[in-house]
Amino acid sequence: EPEVTQTPSHQVTQMGQEVILRCVPISNHLYFYWYRQILGQKVEFLVSFYNNEISEKSEIFDDQFSVERPDGSNFTLKIRSTKLEDSAMYFCASSEKRGAYNEKLFFGSGTQLSVL
Amino acid sequence: SQQGEEDPQALSIQEGENATMNCSYKTSINNLQWYRQNSGRGLVHLILIRSNEREKHSGRLRVTLDTSKKSSSLLITASRAADTASYFCATDAEMDSSYKLIFGSGTRLLVRP
Repeated sequence: EPEVTQTPSHQVTQMGQEVILRCVPISNHLYFYWYRQILGQKVEFLVSFYNNEISEKSEIFDDQFSVERPDGSNFTLKIRSTKLEDSAMYFCASSEKRGAYNEKLFFGSGTQLSVL
Repeated sequence: SQQGEEDPQALSIQEGENATMNCSYKTSINNLQWYRQNSGRGLVHLILIRSNEREKHSGRLRVTLDTSKKSSSLLITASRAADTASYFCATDAEMDSSYKLIFGSGTRLLVRP
């Protein structure tokens, strides 16, 4: 079965450093998402991306965050200057939308980001 | 906010028993989905129910949707130890032209062997 892959699985960085989290969505999917989950808490929406532009972003997704689809396969999340509170598991997801309704999301296994 | 909220937050049952989890949401929806998350892993889609559906089955899973009460339930019958995981409901917005799902806070299910 096709799957979403994320790299790295773990990332440790110093506060103030830039990090790039990488994702390869399922090849025929059109919609891409980033979510994050702080340990033991709910899964929070960060951003959705379609047709090479952001569809929607949450309050969490401030100017320190950016997303990019640099080629036909990768989808990246960049945090320019990491803060301690950015420590979380970051999940990439993709979906193949049909009709007027959102279909199910396929999630990657996540990147655990630790900011020291 | 259109977040779903699950109830209970945690549930512990014996293998073979049924597990019921509930979800409430605030705004009109196109569909409601249930996902499962094993500890430290990504979410896996379980079942999707559309706003014009009232009940749906998939294997040992049964989902109901009551749009008048803005609530849904997930029933896992004949539970197994391998069902131990967190379960999340997720909703989109009926009139929202953007594309996202909003997840609830989840129910942690423990199935004791």
